[in-house]
Amino acid sequence: GIQVEQSPPDLILQEGANSTLRCNFSDSVNNLQWFHQNPWGQLINLFYIPSGTKQNGRLSATTVATERYSLLYISSSQTTDSGVYFCAVERSGNTGKLIFGQGTTLQVKP
Amino acid sequence: NAGVMQNPRHLVRRRGQEARLRCSPMKGHSHVYWYRQLPEEGLKFMVYLQKENIIDESGMPKERFSAEFPKEGPSILRIQQVVRGDSAAYFCASSPTAGRGYTFGSGTRLTVV
Repeated sequence: GIQVEQSPPDLILQEGANSTLRCNFSDSVNNLQWFHQNPWGQLINLFYIPSGTKQNGRLSATTVATERYSLLYISSSQTTDSGVYFCAVERSGNTGKLIFGQGTTLQVKP
Repeated sequence: NAGVMQNPRHLVRRRGQEARLRCSPMKGHSHVYWYRQLPEEGLKFMVYLQKENIIDESGMPKERFSAEFPKEGPSILRIQQVVRGDSAAYFCASSPTAGRGYTFGSGTRLTVV
C-alpha cells in the first residue's frame, strides 16, 4: 500500500520561530490533507491540498504532486500551535480511505 | 451546524463486555468513516459507510468488530468481548461526497480494564 512519511518526528520551537514540516508519499494521490491534533485530542482539518499552494493566516501548505511531497509552513509560531500535525493522503482511484502519516509532534515554548 | 458528534467522549469497559460507539455526521453528509488511533500512533482507517451500506471494511478486524449506518439514526461502531488491546481513541469522520471535505469528530476514548 501507499506509504506516508513525515519529518521531523519531533520539533521544539521557541515562540515566534518559523518551521517547515514535510510529508512524503509513495504513490500518486487524489487527496492530501493536513490535520492538527491539539493536546486535548481534537483533530482539526487545516488544508485540503492535493496540489498547489494555500495559505490560511500564519499557516501555508504546498504540495508538489509530481514529486510526491507536501510541506506545511508555520510562521511566527505560538504556544497554541503545539500538538501533533498529521498528513493524510487518499490514493488515486481509491476514495474514502485516508492513509495517515505518523505525525510530527510540535512543542512551542513561551 | 454542530459538526460531527461522537458519544460518549470516554468509555470504560471491562474485558469481555461490549462497547458501542456512536457517530452523528454533519448535516448533509451521507458518507461516514471510522478510524482508530492507538497511543503514540497515527490514525488507521477501519471502515467506510454510506446509508445502509458498507463500502469498504478493509481496515476492520475480522472478529468482534462491526459497523452500521442505518437509514435513521447515527452510525454505530460495535466491539464485542473487548480486550485490553482495543483501548484506543476511535474517530469518526463524515463527508458530503466520497473522498472530499472530511470533517472529524472529537473521538471516543475507549479504555478496557
